[in-house]
Amino acid sequence: EPEVTQTPSHQVTQMGQEVILRCVPISNHLYFYWYRQILGQKVEFLVSFYNNEISEKSEIFDDQFSVERPDGSNFTLKIRSTKLEDSAMYFCASTSGVGNEQFFGPGTRLTVL
Amino acid sequence: ELKVEQNPLFLSMQEGKNYTIYCNYSTTSDRLYWYRQDPGKSLESLFVLLSNGAVKQEGRLMASLDTKARLSTLHITAAVHDLSATYFCAVDIQGGSEKLVFGKGTKLTVNP
Repeated sequence: EPEVTQTPSHQVTQMGQEVILRCVPISNHLYFYWYRQILGQKVEFLVSFYNNEISEKSEIFDDQFSVERPDGSNFTLKIRSTKLEDSAMYFCASTSGVGNEQFFGPGTRLTVL
Repeated sequence: ELKVEQNPLFLSMQEGKNYTIYCNYSTTSDRLYWYRQDPGKSLESLFVLLSNGAVKQEGRLMASLDTKARLSTLHITAAVHDLSATYFCAVDIQGGSEKLVFGKGTKLTVNP
């Protein structure tokens, strides 16, 4: 069964460093999302991506964040200069169309020291 | 701004008992999703409810949607330990990116 994959599963970084989180959405899906979940809290929307551009972003997704679909299969989230409060689980999700179920990847746990 | 509220946030129940988790949302939407999350794991899709009056059942779980009341319920029948997890409801905002707005989750613990 097709699934969303994410790498790495766990990333530890120093404050101020750049990190890139990678996702491979399900191959025929067209809409891609990043969400994050701070430990013990709810899942929060970061950004949505369709047709090679951002379709919506939240207040959390400031200038330190960027997304890219560099090669037609990968979907990346870059944080340029990490802060302690960026420590969270980051989930990638994809869907084949609006109103359809979003499938979530296993997540990347980011720890900023 | 769409708000999604779940209650209760914590639920401890005995095996064999029944209970219901409630999910209220603040603006018009006719698409509601229930996800399960085990500790440290990803979100597993349980139910997709796409219209008023929708009811879906899988094993001991049954979900329903009342779009007029802006309410969804997740009913647990004869709970077993394996159902222990956190359950999230999520609503998508129609038009635009269809992002999901999640409730805070209900942490369910089923005790033997």
